Amino acid sequence: AQSVTQLDSQVPVFEEAPVELRCNYSSSVSVYLFWYVQYPNQGLQLLLKYLSGSTLVKGINGFEAEFNKSQTSFHLRKPSVHISDTAEYFCAVGAGGTSYGKLTFGQGTILTVHP
Amino acid sequence: DADVTQTPRNRITKTGKRIMLECSQTKGHDRMYWYRQDPGLGLRLIYYSFDVKDINKGEISDGYSVSRQAQAKFSLSLESAIPNQTALYFCATSDTARDSSTDTQYFGPGTRLTVL
Repeated sequence: AQSVTQLDSQVPVFEEAPVELRCNYSSSVSVYLFWYVQYPNQGLQLLLKYLSGSTLVKGINGFEAEFNKSQTSFHLRKPSVHISDTAEYFCAVGAGGTSYGKLTFGQGTILTVHP
Repeated sequence: DADVTQTPRNRITKTGKRIMLECSQTKGHDRMYWYRQDPGLGLRLIYYSFDVKDINKGEISDGYSVSRQAQAKFSLSLESAIPNQTALYFCATSDTARDSSTDTQYFGPGTRLTVL
């Protein structure tokens, strides 16, 4: 079985500042990692995913994440945030074995961008 | 038009009532999922279906049942609703791939259910 921990429940930041949303996972098998974003009153939308290969993954809206196997982390970063980035962000892990085809989600991080 | 639709979008009901939440998709995907979202808990999987004849329990299936009426439709039922089932419910779909662990899941807009 796998699990995901998002280390910050809320992250306030000023517009144009950099941001990092932290995600740690645990799994006994190879994993695939995802970041989803949920804007107010909407469903979840995929930001980016790591399947294999380069550990630095670029996604939509200027976000990127780095897979670190030794630290079992997949932190999300953006060098300069906008007001429109205010949303809740979810890290998720997929794996093979008995978890085939399923995602396990973290608790979510609410990013609030202030003017 | 949205690829994954959910009805109703909002519902208020009373304890003990039977409730059905419906999900339809036009993406042609084989796999469909039901999740519930609670503040501070993220999304938790209730049921999932890899095709019309393959339905499986997720981590929190107690108190829920599902029906996969067709490839495009997946319904979630609460036979006798209770207040702790108050939550935001999401349907999602994904396509069959060689390794479904890598599937991207596509989410509907959600149904906000309140049980009084």
